[in-house]
Amino acid sequence: AQTVTQSQPEMSVQEAETVTLSCTYDTSESNYYLFWYKQPPSRQMILVIRQEAYKQQNATENRFSVNFQKAAKSFSLKISDSQLGDTAMYFCAFMSSGGYQKVTFGIGTKLQVIP
Amino acid sequence: DAGVIQSPRHEVTEMGQEVTLRCKPISGHDYLFWYRQTMMRGLELLIYFNNNVPIDDSGMPEDRFSAKMPNASFSNLKIQPSEPRDSAVYFCASSLAGGRNEQFFGPGTRLTVL
Repeated sequence: AQTVTQSQPEMSVQEAETVTLSCTYDTSESNYYLFWYKQPPSRQMILVIRQEAYKQQNATENRFSVNFQKAAKSFSLKISDSQLGDTAMYFCAFMSSGGYQKVTFGIGTKLQVIP
Repeated sequence: DAGVIQSPRHEVTEMGQEVTLRCKPISGHDYLFWYRQTMMRGLELLIYFNNNVPIDDSGMPEDRFSAKMPNASFSNLKIQPSEPRDSAVYFCASSLAGGRNEQFFGPGTRLTVL
């Protein structure tokens, strides 16, 4: 079974600074998908960014980018120019390419952006 | 599209009562998922459906929990009888088939069992 580990329960960052959230996963598969979801205080889960394992290029979405290290099974999220609206829980998630769309989530990292 | 719709948003009930949580997935989505979120255990997958058929219910904690999807537009999750330890936020999510498609989540139902 796949596991997803987020080792940072809480983090804080000053507004406009950059922060990196860590995620590692364990799988024996070669093809899969990785996601970062954001859950603000409103509790609505929102997709931030996704990465296909077969793509070597790291995904980028505006201020959000990932560092995907397939051999190390690492998938970190970098948030640049942090904004107050980035304050949220962030969940790393894994989905097998052949697994009925079933997603395994990490425990989450609580990020606080400080003005 | 209105997104995934869940009702009620909040539910407070007494121990022993039956609780029914409802979900309307995004139209056209093939998959529907029920999750439970608590501080201690994070986000747990309870059950999921593909084309209205339950695929994996191994996450359902006890026989007190049941879920159905009578058609492509509706699913419900029932707890009978409810217990205080069932207190949590319950999310419904839906997705299209196909590898890179993410799950879209509803706003969740916060359940409090007294």
